[in-house]
Amino acid sequence: EIVMTQTPFSLSVAPGQPASISCKSSQSLLHSDGKSYLYWFLQRPGQSPHLLISEASNRFSGVPDRFSGSGSGTDFTLTISRVEAEDVGVYYCMQSRHLPYTFGQGTNLEIK
Amino acid sequence: QVQLQESGPGLVKPSGTLSLTCAVSGDSISSSDWWSWVRQAPGKGLEWIGEIDHSGSTIYNPSVKSRVTMSVDRSKNQFSLKLTSVTAADTAVYYCARGSCTVYACYPDYWGQGTLVTVSS
Repeated sequence: EIVMTQTPFSLSVAPGQPASISCKSSQSLLHSDGKSYLYWFLQRPGQSPHLLISEASNRFSGVPDRFSGSGSGTDFTLTISRVEAEDVGVYYCMQSRHLPYTFGQGTNLEIK
Repeated sequence: QVQLQESGPGLVKPSGTLSLTCAVSGDSISSSDWWSWVRQAPGKGLEWIGEIDHSGSTIYNPSVKSRVTMSVDRSKNQFSLKLTSVTAADTAVYYCARGSCTVYACYPDYWGQGTLVTVSS
């Protein structure tokens, strides 16, 4: 199965500062249609995960534009341009290019 | 707005069967979407269990394939998960989710709140 590796394991960011999380896959997630089937989720404390980014770079409905996704193939990045208090939680990447779908181990974001 | 709600016993005995149901509102179980189960062991990450479409076609994670069965009930707009021969390793919060699909892939876009299932005697 595809192994998804996220870095860092955790990060602490002051409000208003940027943050970025890396996700690397053990095989390419790029399909012949030109899309990479990589997704980003945020799980706030005590809540279920919710979708932020689909297909590497498409913001899901209602997601603030301070969140952006980039990358293709095996290397991907989630960037928060200006961190806010509500961004606290664990961020997961997930691939659905290959079965079974697999998730990264998560990155815990704290506010300084 | 799509909403999903898991229900089922919170405690299952070892070697028993875990059974959960997910009620869907705001979307039809008969749509082109797939319907997924994901679990999260205490303090751990997320594990995709599998998914089912409205016709009953299924895709399971090999890690549980020999023990899992998913089904849909179109009349009640819900879908279900059964996991047999459970052990303590199956203790987790179980989430149901809608699998929104493009031509080549699906992804869970709306999730239920999750339900904790503990395997213990």
